[in-house]
Amino acid sequence: DAGVIQSPRHEVTEMGQEVTLRCKPISGHNSLFWYRQTMMRGLELLIYFNNNVPIDDSGMPEDRFSAKMPNASFSTLKIQPSEPRDSAVYFCASSPGRGGNQPQHFGDGTRLSIL
Amino acid sequence: AQSVTQLGSHVSVSEGALVLLRCNYSSSVPPYLFWYVQYPNQGLQLLLKYTSAATLVKGINGFEAEFKKSETSFHLTKPSAHMSDAAEYFCAVSSYGNNRLAFGKGNQVVVIP
Repeated sequence: DAGVIQSPRHEVTEMGQEVTLRCKPISGHNSLFWYRQTMMRGLELLIYFNNNVPIDDSGMPEDRFSAKMPNASFSTLKIQPSEPRDSAVYFCASSPGRGGNQPQHFGDGTRLSIL
Repeated sequence: AQSVTQLGSHVSVSEGALVLLRCNYSSSVPPYLFWYVQYPNQGLQLLLKYTSAATLVKGINGFEAEFKKSETSFHLTKPSAHMSDAAEYFCAVSSYGNNRLAFGKGNQVVVIP
């Protein structure tokens, strides 16, 4: 079975540039989550979708961050303009339902470095 | 709001010794509890979960955890540590109708030969 697929695996770019991270959830999963992981703050939930609709975006740090899910098989997280403090590993996860008892399945992450 | 506490960011254990990682949760409703493992440069992988069935839960790689409501705990154990167990371990909590996970800060496990 294909797991959650994220691209790119690594991204290095200069401050001020637009960054787009991509995620393909597991087929049949209807919940999708974006996380950010840093040494200082640990694992933070940025936003999650259910049936392609954003349910909770309270973790999005500021207006420079935006996320979309145009269909059940694709989501993007965009940062514009990027700043050095956005450097982190960004994870996408998906789960089969909203019951709360379903585990989330994580991708391998995108390691983002903003110079 | 739900939360999880994991004490001791770094845990050292000798190869062959007991692995014990502590997790205490806070939840006003019956919780669902999860342990995840993260190997270097990888995403989180589910080790085991408690979803209101048996209180002693067995997972992958020889790990198990016991749900104790009276102690609001869900500690993770493995009888004999292996070098391949070196990784970061996260405890997480959710509840019925809420599939947002609240994660602990994680335990970095180092296995000493």
